[in-house]
Formats: sequence, structure tokens, C-alpha cells
Amino acid sequence: GAGVSQSPRYKVAKRGQDVALRCDPISGHVSLFWYQQALGQGPEFLTYFQNEAQLDKSGLPSDRFFAERPEGSVSTLKIQRTQQEDSAVYLCASSVPAVSSGRAVPGTDTQYFGPGTRLTVL
Amino acid sequence: AQKITQTQPGMFVQEKEAVTLDCTYDTSDPSYGLFWYKQPSSGEMIFLIYQGSYDQQNATEGRYSLNFQKARKSANLVISASQLGDSAMYFCAMREPGNKLVFGAGTILRVKS
Repeated sequence: GAGVSQSPRYKVAKRGQDVALRCDPISGHVSLFWYQQALGQGPEFLTYFQNEAQLDKSGLPSDRFFAERPEGSVSTLKIQRTQQEDSAVYLCASSVPAVSSGRAVPGTDTQYFGPGTRLTVL
Repeated sequence: AQKITQTQPGMFVQEKEAVTLDCTYDTSDPSYGLFWYKQPSSGEMIFLIYQGSYDQQNATEGRYSLNFQKARKSANLVISASQLGDSAMYFCAMREPGNKLVFGAGTILRVKS
């Protein structure tokens, strides 16, 4: 089946511009995550949705960062007034817990990642 | 405090040989999950293998196995019979309460022909 898709794959913005990054999760995946990956480093958590509810936004670096998932499927990460330090790869992941005897098993989620959006702020 | 430590910035391995990538973790939560992901130069993050903290046996997935030593808080990835296509960055990650992943700094693996 189709994996997680993200668009655009590459985005160049001038400092001060607003950008919107889109994520299409795997169909049926309840949970959706955004991560930021700086060059040469591991990804860092930004925010987490379960269906349309944003359960954790503790990783968003400033109030210029905003994420939404209004219908519990597609998500958009918006960055306002971009700064050079926002340059990074933004990764989206979706997950669903394993099911046993017809019930979701807590703590068994595996996150599957999209190809990322490489944002360059000039 | 760093929760995932990957001490090997880079590793070389000869094609067809096995290689171990190290990962140690720090948590006080009795329930946690450990993951390994592969990131080729193209950038996508590919899930390789998962180990739950209560799993009695080490996880295996094809040529990948996870050497889980709970008392030492280590979760090393073993790749057997290395292939040229295994050349990539490898990340160890731990799932925290709330489901978010915390990643290590990664290890670059280069397979030599």
C-alpha cells in the first residue's frame, strides 16, 4: 500500500516568508508525528496528533510553528516568518498500534516515515 | 541528559561480513520500545526492527537482529552478510511515554566491496 507522502519535497523560502508543509499519512493510521532533522543530526520531535487532537506540541521551537490535522488525516505544519535556523528536513510519520484479538495493543506503535521536506531559508 | 547514545560516528565493514552498531539508552520507565531506522542518502527514514522492553527474546528481521541487554541498557543492531546497499546512516530510537521517539546522533555505515 501507499506509504506516508509529504509535499513539497523541497522548499526554498526567503527569510520572513510563511511556509506550509503537507503530510499525507498511511490510510487508517490514527497517530501522526512531525520531526525536525538538522543536517548531520538525528530527528527531533515537534508535535503529535491522535486523530484530529493535538496531544503534544512540546517540541515546537517557537510560536512561529503551528500544526493542524483538522479531519484526522492530512496534516499541515506551518512556519510563520521563517528564519535561517528553521532550515532543516521536516519529517512526518504515522503509526497505528498492533491489533490482537480485535483490540489495539497499547505501546506497540511503529512509526513509518515519509520522505521529508527539505526547507532552506535564505 | 542524552537518552540515546550512539558512540560510533562512522563504521566500515567488508561486504558479506557482519557488523554491530552500538546503542545505549537511559530511561526510568519500565515500559519502553527501542527502534532502529536506516536513512540512505536519499533521505527517507526506513524502519528496520523493534524491541519491546518486556520482550523475552531478541528481535530479528531477516539480516537484522537486535542484541538487547536490558541490564546494560544496550540495544545493538547486528547486520549479517553486509551488502553494498546497506551503506547508510543508522539511527537508534526509543519511544517515550506519549509515543514520541527520541533519536540518537546516528552512525554512518560504509560497506566496502
